[in-house]
Amino acid sequence: DIVLTQSPDSLAVSLGEKATINCKSSRSVLHRSNNKNYLTWYQQKPGQPPKLLIYWASTREDGVPDRFSGSGSETDFNLTISSLQAEDVAVYYCQQWYVTPPVTFGGGTKVEIK
Amino acid sequence: QVQLVESGGGVVQPGRSLRLSCAASGSTFTNSGLHWVRQAPGKGLEWVGMVSYDGSNKYYADSMKGRISISRDNIRNMLYLQMNTLRVEDTAVYYCVTEGVSEWSITGYDKWGQGTRVIVSS
Repeated sequence: DIVLTQSPDSLAVSLGEKATINCKSSRSVLHRSNNKNYLTWYQQKPGQPPKLLIYWASTREDGVPDRFSGSGSETDFNLTISSLQAEDVAVYYCQQWYVTPPVTFGGGTKVEIK
Repeated sequence: QVQLVESGGGVVQPGRSLRLSCAASGSTFTNSGLHWVRQAPGKGLEWVGMVSYDGSNKYYADSMKGRISISRDNIRNMLYLQMNTLRVEDTAVYYCVTEGVSEWSITGYDKWGQGTRVIVSS
């Protein structure tokens, strides 16, 4: 199974500042046939189901603000919030689709306001 | 726009069974793989299992293999999760989710229900 390790477990960022979350995969999730990394990011606010933010490592889902961006390839990925807003307080998860089953998730990163 | 509503959760004793349902409204989900994902209290997300768009392929997490069965009814737009021999550690919110697809590749779970809570306790 592919293991995804997120860091940090939590971070506190001032409003308007940048937040960066890392997700490391135990093996490459790059599909060489289409050059897509099968890595997805979700946001989960308290009391709500998760919401898909970014797929293929860097493609924003429709309606997701452009302050959210994804980067990385193969085994090392980042989710960046360029200017943290109050509504971005949430837990963020990465997920891989490259080798399934099983679909696997990272452990989550809690983002708070400093 | 698909909307998903789970039901069937509740409090159940260890060793008993429970059947969760997920009803889809709006556009049908007959072209999508469907998954169950769970989240234990205060914990992260855990994949439970999935069924392919036509019901022909099913896969289950090792932690629940042999105790669960996933099925779907594409005429009634329903997804089911039959759970047997429940354990205390199965206590979680169970979400029904659909696979998003773009350019013939899976993008992620693009639709989530609100979840149904299962508590396994004596």
